[in-house]
Amino acid sequence: IAGITQAPTSQILAAGRRMTLRCTQDMRHNAMYWYRQDLGLGLRLIHYSNTAGTTGKGEVPDGYSVSRANTDDFPLTLASAVPSQTSVYFCASSGERESGANVLTFGAGSRLTVL
Amino acid sequence: GQNIDQPTEMTATEGAIVQINCTYQTSGFNGLFWYQQHAGEAPTFLSYNVLDGLEEKGRFSSFLSRSKGYSYLLLKELQMKDSASYLCAVRDSNYQLIWGAGTKLIIKP
Repeated sequence: IAGITQAPTSQILAAGRRMTLRCTQDMRHNAMYWYRQDLGLGLRLIHYSNTAGTTGKGEVPDGYSVSRANTDDFPLTLASAVPSQTSVYFCASSGERESGANVLTFGAGSRLTVL
Repeated sequence: GQNIDQPTEMTATEGAIVQINCTYQTSGFNGLFWYQQHAGEAPTFLSYNVLDGLEEKGRFSSFLSRSKGYSYLLLKELQMKDSASYLCAVRDSNYQLIWGAGTKLIIKP
């Protein structure tokens, strides 16, 4: 593993089903994030975690939950999927880099279609 | 409300120069980022500006004017591989990132 790994890469899901998107990083970054990306819109933050054991709500948290049991893993769960949750989901983590920037490193994304 | 504006799409010619603008209205300012995203891939970090002026990194430069709420990304000596979307993001007073919808850059031979 080098960076952030997301799984699955893509998934088609029936409405009402439960789904967990997995995210694992090996950079020992404290902060992790889940975004969704929809055509014509900027990335929108769903949930975040500043450190293991803590989580927070982002801009669009409804219908999603997260957990952060350890530094490396940050799964995103859709308890009962709805068609409006059809999107590309990106997991990201952040660590300090030059000039104090908190640069995000993204996973490759998970494309989810809810029918 | 908070808002990031950037053109939806731009077209440029291989070997030329292109400037992608970004204007923002946010609750406070703690830095502006540019990311590159190739189709079907993850965004990758390009540049960070927190003070006014120009930051140069090889063929790419980024400019910031905090008083005008304005930034641009300048790409020189365009290559076909520069065809991608370019995302502008501002970190607000709560250290949350606000993202623009991205500018799709099409490079023609």
